[in-house]
Amino acid sequence: QSALTQPPSATGSLGQSVHISCTGTSSDVGYENYVSWFQQHPGKAPRVLIYEVYKRPSGVPDRFSASRSGNTAYLTVSGLQAEDEAHYYCSSNTDKKTYLFGSGTQVTIL
Amino acid sequence: EVKVVESGGDSVRPGQSLRLSCEVSGFTVRDYTMHWVRQVVGKGPEWVSRIHAGGEATDYADSVKGRFTLSRDNAKNSLYLQMNNLRPEDTALYYCARDFDWKNALWGQGTLVTVSA
Repeated sequence: QSALTQPPSATGSLGQSVHISCTGTSSDVGYENYVSWFQQHPGKAPRVLIYEVYKRPSGVPDRFSASRSGNTAYLTVSGLQAEDEAHYYCSSNTDKKTYLFGSGTQVTIL
Repeated sequence: EVKVVESGGDSVRPGQSLRLSCEVSGFTVRDYTMHWVRQVVGKGPEWVSRIHAGGEATDYADSVKGRFTLSRDNAKNSLYLQMNNLRPEDTALYYCARDFDWKNALWGQGTLVTVSA
């Protein structure tokens, strides 16, 4: 199974917003509501930002929001801060009882 | 303290075996679905396997099915990933994670596996 498709990079200035897409198929992103988003800084383990398509764990700022339309999920980071510079990955369960991750998006703050 | 700690990573030759361990503290391993996720340096994560909460049902990525076996020792509150017939493409940092994609996700810091001739 191939990774979910994400843009390799996204750029924004401090205080602005970036939008990241995650495209899959009806067998994964569009299958059930188990789409998640992760943030990963260098040398660190991934951190869950979003689970079940749009829900935020406690402690995650509401600057992070997410949605889904069909087989594509979206992550928006609003009010960009310096610490938001990181890699972002989506993931989804699949109809084969497995999980797929996205190819990853490097967010750069100008 | 609630944490997971992986160990057992090593440098091995293709075709050899390795057993990774995941020791958890602060919670009961059988109460949660536990996963292994691996990541090649500079690449995105790849889900490897899971064992379901409460039972022994396991699932595997196609890339490891038939070669890797995930098990749990409730008495030791630990998780094990037996990796046989290792290939160079199995080289990665292996993370153990509780509910890796959910609100109470808990990831370890990983253990490095290198497979090279």
